[in-house]
Amino acid sequence: EVQLLESGGGLVQPGGSLRLSCEASGFTFRIYFISWVRQAPGKGLEWVASMSGSGDVVHYGDSVKGRFTISRDNSKNTLYLEMRSLRAEDTARYYCARDRGELGRGYHWGQGALVTVSS
Amino acid sequence: DIQMTQSPSSLPASIGDRVTITCQASRDISHYLNWYQQKAGKAPKLLIYDTSTLETGVPSRFRGSGSGTDFTLTISSLQPEDIATYYCQQYDNVPLTFGQGTRLDIK
Repeated sequence: EVQLLESGGGLVQPGGSLRLSCEASGFTFRIYFISWVRQAPGKGLEWVASMSGSGDVVHYGDSVKGRFTISRDNSKNTLYLEMRSLRAEDTARYYCARDRGELGRGYHWGQGALVTVSS
Repeated sequence: DIQMTQSPSSLPASIGDRVTITCQASRDISHYLNWYQQKAGKAPKLLIYDTSTLETGVPSRFRGSGSGTDFTLTISSLQPEDIATYYCQQYDNVPLTFGQGTRLDIK
């Protein structure tokens, strides 16, 4: 069974940093694109970033480009999202999502980690 | 960027109704479309990928159709457990984009 478990969320001040982790199990982690998708409170879904299984292909959404960094450690079956220069509008639940072998195709989702940016 | 527009934004319906949600892409995305269901306080759940392929375990009352720019999610007979918000998402091109959601509730 595919499982994705996010951690590392919390309260951070504007301008601060935070690192999210997504630990995966139940599939061959190193062969799949994994993505981060976020959802602000009461709002819709927004794609944030994706990384290929080998780590050589990376994409970012415009709203986080230059501030967020996606990475992965295939030896630990773990995906990361390093978030810097955080803003109030980054407040959201951040989901880790695995596709069906093609970037963005049919995501399987974790339960998410809540990030709150507030002073 | 490809814009995804869902309609309606809100849909009151009765148990047993046939329900249709539409999703329009701002340009041709072929068949590269997913549908998700999100219940309150839960993570999204994949219903359909490749426009019309039902995810394993999803009831057959859900059906997806369309191609190019116009897509439809149909629930043949609404059940109480179908009350949720539904999202479409294109994966033809980066950035991956979602529709704004359709909130389905009981009339």
